[in-house]
Amino acid sequence: QSALTQPASVSGSPGQSITISCTGTSSDVGNYNLISWYQQHPGKAPKFIIFEVNKRPSGVSNRFSGSKSGNTASLTISGLQAEDEADYYCCSYVTASTYVFGTGTKVTVL
Amino acid sequence: QVQLQESGPGLVKPSETLSLTCTVSGGSISGFYWGWIRQPPGKGLEWIGYFYPGGSSDYNRSLKSRAANSFDTSQNQFSLKLSSVTAGDTAVYYCARLKRSSSAPVPDGFDIWGQGTLVTVSS
Repeated sequence: QSALTQPASVSGSPGQSITISCTGTSSDVGNYNLISWYQQHPGKAPKFIIFEVNKRPSGVSNRFSGSKSGNTASLTISGLQAEDEADYYCCSYVTASTYVFGTGTKVTVL
Repeated sequence: QVQLQESGPGLVKPSETLSLTCTVSGGSISGFYWGWIRQPPGKGLEWIGYFYPGGSSDYNRSLKSRAANSFDTSQNQFSLKLSSVTAGDTAVYYCARLKRSSSAPVPDGFDIWGQGTLVTVSS
């Protein structure tokens, strides 16, 4: 099972919106709405920020939103803030009861 | 709130077995799926496997022949063993809880994570 494809880096200025893509196949992203996203600051454990494509866990800022079209899922961060600078990973359920993570995207706030 | 803490040796010799334990506090391990994820230094996340106490489990196909899990419900712990390790198994290992989905028969993500523990494979 190959990792889902994410851009290595995305950057934006404070207040702007950025979008991170997560491209898979018809066996994972394209076939299930079990897409989740994680934020990871340096030296820290990942934090769960999106599940089932576009739902936010309690306590997660509404500046984070998710969507999906075909084999590509996306995470949008609106009103970019300095604290959003981190690595972001997508994850999808895959046919035959497995999961796969994305390659990860480093978000830089300019 | 539920918290997870990984424990185990930080250094394992090549060809030996890596053994890690995750202790769950603030809630029971019963009724949830639990899993392990690893992250080699400077690299991305890799799913290792997920397990249900007394029930189903599944592993990353690339690790399935070397991985095994177990539960100790009396201690509220679960464990991972990875055999025949090589330098390529050097990583931070995280244990995590899988969130029940409200619309699917399988979990929809990893909602609670331990802080992670670095395991280095070296002689």
